[in-house]
Amino acid sequence: DTEVTQTPKHLVMGMTNKKSLKCEQHMGHRAMYWYKQKAKKPPELMFVYSYEKLSINESVPSRFSPECPNSSLLNLHLHALQPEDSALYLCASSLPKTGESYEQYFGPGTRLTVT
Amino acid sequence: SQQGEEDPQALSIQEGENATMNCSYKTSINNLQWYRQNSGRGLVHLILIRSNEREKHSGRLRVTLDTSKKSSSLLITASRAADTASYFCATAGTGGFKTIFGAGTRLFVKA
Repeated sequence: DTEVTQTPKHLVMGMTNKKSLKCEQHMGHRAMYWYKQKAKKPPELMFVYSYEKLSINESVPSRFSPECPNSSLLNLHLHALQPEDSALYLCASSLPKTGESYEQYFGPGTRLTVT
Repeated sequence: SQQGEEDPQALSIQEGENATMNCSYKTSINNLQWYRQNSGRGLVHLILIRSNEREKHSGRLRVTLDTSKKSSSLLITASRAADTASYFCATAGTGGFKTIFGAGTRLFVKA
């Protein structure tokens, strides 16, 4: 199984809502990533978990809260978002190895619209 | 400043022609990777080239890396309409996780 799944595919939320994005992989990867991608732009790294511990936080606003409950799951909790947070949110996973990056497997993304 | 700048931003070719896209980066790397993204979907890993390699092939793909110029190129030979997508280079620093994607090249292959 070389698939990364993400739910939901689409999400529309108001600025006062609380919602969560979910990502799952069963490849035994121990590094998991969240990216944000705006239209016609490259993905921008938000968070990296390595062995279920937060390894990188790219100064993301606190209204985005990541969680890695186990080695297969990665969540992104959303609260009090702004319209400019509307984007495609991509999850990825890879084998972790300090000092060297491995190919990342991406999910199809969640298209988020904040109204 | 952003690492992994690419050119051209967009490229339109006929089926059967070759497509070349370039990527430049700013800091030391362990490896450089190329990904493809079909419209609004997840990225697919194409090829990885390590910093001690100069050229690598995979099917119709050929990647070169020049660490002295901090640049890489991706050549797709005998392009097909199905190759229409955005192509991104990606680099990671010495830690291995902090991945930075280039601006990307949007390739259109006309049948």
